[in-house]
Amino acid sequence: GAGVSQSPRYKVAKRGQDVALRCDPISGHVSLFWYQQALGQGPEFLTYFQNEAQLDKSGLPSDRFFAERPEGSVSTLKIQRTQQEDSAVYLCASSLAKGTFNSPLHFGNGTRLTVT
Amino acid sequence: AQSVSQHNHHVILSEAASLELGCNYSYGGTVNLFWYVQYPGQHLQLLLKYFSGDPLVKGIKGFEAEFIKSKFSFNLRKPSVQWSDTAEYFCAVKPYNTDKLIFGTGTRLQVFP
Repeated sequence: GAGVSQSPRYKVAKRGQDVALRCDPISGHVSLFWYQQALGQGPEFLTYFQNEAQLDKSGLPSDRFFAERPEGSVSTLKIQRTQQEDSAVYLCASSLAKGTFNSPLHFGNGTRLTVT
Repeated sequence: AQSVSQHNHHVILSEAASLELGCNYSYGGTVNLFWYVQYPGQHLQLLLKYFSGDPLVKGIKGFEAEFIKSKFSFNLRKPSVQWSDTAEYFCAVKPYNTDKLIFGTGTRLQVFP
């Protein structure tokens, strides 16, 4: 497709459940980012991939959060044992170049996760 | 810690009014600067960006922003807003030594006809 695709658009999980969020970046884009956007806040960085290598995971809030991009294209963000504070919109973004210097990010529509 | 401040959380204007949204960042080194816009129900879209050169940057839909290095600012401007500019606007900074964007908390703009 022409843009970054994320699925599902909406996810409701009971506290303690595991969830998996999918991101299909723009074809050929080397860099892939995950961001978390809480209500009323700006997006906050979670993790960054360059092809299949996870180069920065400093933003992952706990070891319950795990991301992978095994073949350097599609990425999955997994959250284990979800908590209410995990409720947020999870945004995926990709860029053509390595890193984002001189290469803008293209965002998906996000997955809105609600933990009840 | 590196941060981005957007001073205006909610701005309400009438059509044809002029717009200026403030953005200040805390980082002393080389940066890329961005404004993203999120229209209701849509994804974040790039409005304009500054990488280097002329500090006055022109973007889509008549928007422009000026990078003032001495003030660590990158304010967004539009001379005459339209109802269709109703959206949330996010300023973002990319320090040279990192790959991640640091976003401000956003400014919600409402334009009334």
